[in-house]
Amino acid sequence: KAGVTQTPRYLIKTRGQQVTLSCSPISGHRSVSWYQQTPGQGLQFLFEYFSETQRNKGNFPGRFSGRQFSNSRSEMNVSTLELGDSALYLCASSLGDTPNQPQHFGDGTRLSIL
Amino acid sequence: AQTVTQSQPEMSVQEAETVTLSCTYDTSESDYYLFWYKQPPSRQMILVIRQEAYKQQNATENRFSVNFQKAAKSFSLKISDSQLGDAAMYFCAYRTLNNAGNMLTFGGGTRLMVKP
Repeated sequence: KAGVTQTPRYLIKTRGQQVTLSCSPISGHRSVSWYQQTPGQGLQFLFEYFSETQRNKGNFPGRFSGRQFSNSRSEMNVSTLELGDSALYLCASSLGDTPNQPQHFGDGTRLSIL
Repeated sequence: AQTVTQSQPEMSVQEAETVTLSCTYDTSESDYYLFWYKQPPSRQMILVIRQEAYKQQNATENRFSVNFQKAAKSFSLKISDSQLGDAAMYFCAYRTLNNAGNMLTFGGGTRLMVKP
């Protein structure tokens, strides 16, 4: 079974631009969560999608948004990029039906803002 | 809101020895899940072990075991017979059962170095 796939692996943008990151979950998984990892703030939860609906949201500004498609693939968008958005963005998937199901993480997208 | 604290930014262990990583958390909930994740330089977070709060028995996965002290809100990870491949960042994480979602609250991480 293929794991969680995140694309692209690396991305360089400049301030003010916008970016879209993609996450393909493990086949059959309906929950996709996104996390931001930085040296200063650590790992922070962005949001979770389950069956195309946002089920949970972290404490991030509205510039961070996401969506999930009918095939459970998810995209995350960041608009008006700021230097502080430089981070590793991790995606995790799970079946999502019951709380005891573990989350499986992808390799992440490293976003650098110049 | 729940918080997770890992008080050891770095730990070092000799190959084949045992090491314990500490984690404490703060919550008012009685039911929840706790996890330890490993993040090697390859960046992928790998689940090491998980513990349901309602289970008194400590979870064990091969060389990895936890010491779960619910009253003290402590959840330490013990790695026995340490191997070079165990070198990584280790994150403790909390998951509430108060909603249907998958949100994890992570600690700041502990970097484990394994000396040959």
